[in-house]
Amino acid sequence: RKEVEQDPGPFNVPEGATVAFNCTYSNSASQSFFWYRQDCRKEPKLLMSVYSSGNEDGRFTAQLNRASQYISLLIRDSKLSDSATYLCVVNMGGNKLVFGAGTILRVKS
Amino acid sequence: GAVVSQHPSRVICKSGTSVKIECRSLDFQATTMFWYRQFPKQSLMLMATSNEGSKATYEQGVEKDKFLINHASLTLSTLTVTSAHPEDSSFYICSAGGGEGETQYFGPGTRLLVL
Repeated sequence: RKEVEQDPGPFNVPEGATVAFNCTYSNSASQSFFWYRQDCRKEPKLLMSVYSSGNEDGRFTAQLNRASQYISLLIRDSKLSDSATYLCVVNMGGNKLVFGAGTILRVKS
Repeated sequence: GAVVSQHPSRVICKSGTSVKIECRSLDFQATTMFWYRQFPKQSLMLMATSNEGSKATYEQGVEKDKFLINHASLTLSTLTVTSAHPEDSSFYICSAGGGEGETQYFGPGTRLLVL
């Protein structure tokens, strides 16, 4: 079983749609969690950290369920510029980050 | 956010050549830097953790004699791919963080193509 699993997609959605991505992780001792965004042929950029209480940043909402070892990202009112690969990332401790394979999002007009 | 640079951004070389990639933290001191590799349509895979002033820690399956890492200062880590072969062609990305639990900042990556 992979340490971090994501649905690869692609998710093809129209502008304005709401889209949700899911992620599961295998190591219950994982310490912190993140969503990164990666554009084609670029480095990953931090989108947001994920907290057990849930957190929101504008159109983006992240949730963490430690009991189920499940992380989610919700994007509301999708924009064309949201098209990218979204990476679920888990800190295993010692700042060792493990990346999911990513979920591709394509927002179309 | 903090800035991490990598040089070169792209390398094309012949098989058997050694290639050196630099990773610099421009506006903060990084006690730890990380080197990742990403093959097409795959996720980033951690290769090694580079610690300033000490030996790097390599992930399982990564040959330490092939991928030489040097972290001589708090702002510079280098990765040398020795005797590169076509299967080493990949996107190499470094990241830097100030310490445990702190956000890691990624460099822009280096595309290596070995012919």
